[in-house]
Amino acid sequence: NAGVTQTPKFRVLKTGQSMTLLCAQDMNHEYMYWYRQDPGMGLRLIHYSVGEGTTAKGEVPDGYNVSRLKKQNFLLGLESAAPSQTSVYFCASSNWGFTDTQYFGPGTRLTVL
Amino acid sequence: DQQVKQNSPSLSVQEGRISILNCDYTNSMFDYFLWYKKYPAEGPTFLISISSIKDKNEDGRFTVFLNKSAKHLSLHIVPSQPGDSAVYFCAVYPLNAGNNRKLIWGLGTSLAVNP
Repeated sequence: NAGVTQTPKFRVLKTGQSMTLLCAQDMNHEYMYWYRQDPGMGLRLIHYSVGEGTTAKGEVPDGYNVSRLKKQNFLLGLESAAPSQTSVYFCASSNWGFTDTQYFGPGTRLTVL
Repeated sequence: DQQVKQNSPSLSVQEGRISILNCDYTNSMFDYFLWYKKYPAEGPTFLISISSIKDKNEDGRFTVFLNKSAKHLSLHIVPSQPGDSAVYFCAVYPLNAGNNRKLIWGLGTSLAVNP
C-alpha cells in the first residue's frame, strides 16, 4: 500500500516549456487535490476532483490544467511554464471530502528558469 | 488578507515540556478545524481535528482546544518529544460554504523540541 505517490520528485523547466505532474493513489479515494506551497504563503489549492471524470477550480487555478480520467490518477499540467510557477507541488487524496483526512504525497519541487 | 493566522513562525521547547501552538481565524463561518504536521521533504500528515460543536478534542499526547468566541484554537502536545519537531499547519473549513468549499491553511509554525 503505497498511499499517494507523485512523479517526478524534482524538475527544472525553462520558461514556456510544458510538463505534466502525475499523482497516483491506491486507497480508492474519491477526492483528489493539487496544492502548491510557497514561502510565506502556506498551502494553496490549485484544482481538485470529487470523483473520476470530474475536476474543479481551487484558489489559484490560472496557468494549470488537470484531468482525472482514472479514479486513482490525478494529473496536473502546465502548458507554458512561468517563473511564478516555481513552487513545491503536493497532491493529496481523501475518501469523502475536504474535512476527511487528506493523505499527501511527498511533493514535487519545480523550478522554472 | 489572511483568514487563518499562525502568528508564531517558530517555537522551541524542551523535551518533556508542553508545546502550545496557536491559530486564529477571522470568519465565524468556519466550523471545522484541523491540524496537520509536516516533516522536511515529506507531505503534510493529519494530526487531529475538532468541529465547532466541541471545545476540546484529545488524541493521546495531542489536544486541540477551540474558543469560538475568540476565534482561536490551540494545539497542546504533552509531553513534547524530539520526534514532534516539525512544521504544524492549522487548517479551517466552512461546512456551509456551498460551492466555495475548501480548506484554508495557515502558514505554519515550526516546532523544535530539544533533547
